[in-house]
Amino acid sequence: ETGVTQTPRHLVMGMTNKKSLKCEQHLGHNAMYWYKQSAKKPLELMFVYNFKEQTENNSVPSRFSPECPNSSHLFLHLHTLQPEDSALYLCASSARSGQGALETQYFGPGTRLLVL
Amino acid sequence: AQTVTQSQPEMSVQEAETVTLSCTYDTSESDYYLFWYKQPPSRQMILVIRQEAYKQQNATENRFSVNFQKAAKSFSLKISDSQLGDAAMYFCAYRTRNTGNQFYFGTGTSLTVIP
Repeated sequence: ETGVTQTPRHLVMGMTNKKSLKCEQHLGHNAMYWYKQSAKKPLELMFVYNFKEQTENNSVPSRFSPECPNSSHLFLHLHTLQPEDSALYLCASSARSGQGALETQYFGPGTRLLVL
Repeated sequence: AQTVTQSQPEMSVQEAETVTLSCTYDTSESDYYLFWYKQPPSRQMILVIRQEAYKQQNATENRFSVNFQKAAKSFSLKISDSQLGDAAMYFCAYRTRNTGNQFYFGTGTSLTVIP
């Protein structure tokens, strides 16, 4: 549907596992984002990368580790998660601030994560 | 601090009728953008409509229009001639030019369209 893809779409992991979420955008954007979406709560911005540099880290626990090797790819490495981390994790991208567009965010389909 | 409030957790509308979803926001900034996003069940979040705060004219996109009241910090979404495909969660979002890449989202309104 859009130029932002995420894999896997669903993930079940134990608290001792290590897994990674992947996001890829084909829109030529320079900013990428990770959000956590839980029921009945606003989207929680976790991390922002602008031209591969992390510009925002909203007090996210260290068990979440982002990686942005280039402007098109974004990873979220997960280790020793807790059951309360179960949520939908959304990736988004946008044009870099200042490029003149409305800098709308375009979202991926999300990864539904269940931590047992 | 910037916040976005959607006071209607759930709304319903009869097919072909009009519905308005409310959104208010709190900011001390003067230059910002406002967005409405739609998230159908198990599908991707997509942009419905967007508004630049310096524009007085309300944005419209086909059956979707907004009522932007800057002084009241209100940004409601009107859906005309509602269709079954409009059923979704609708999120209001806000960002300023001065907060880098920080977007602020409301808690969402779940819209049901009744055939």
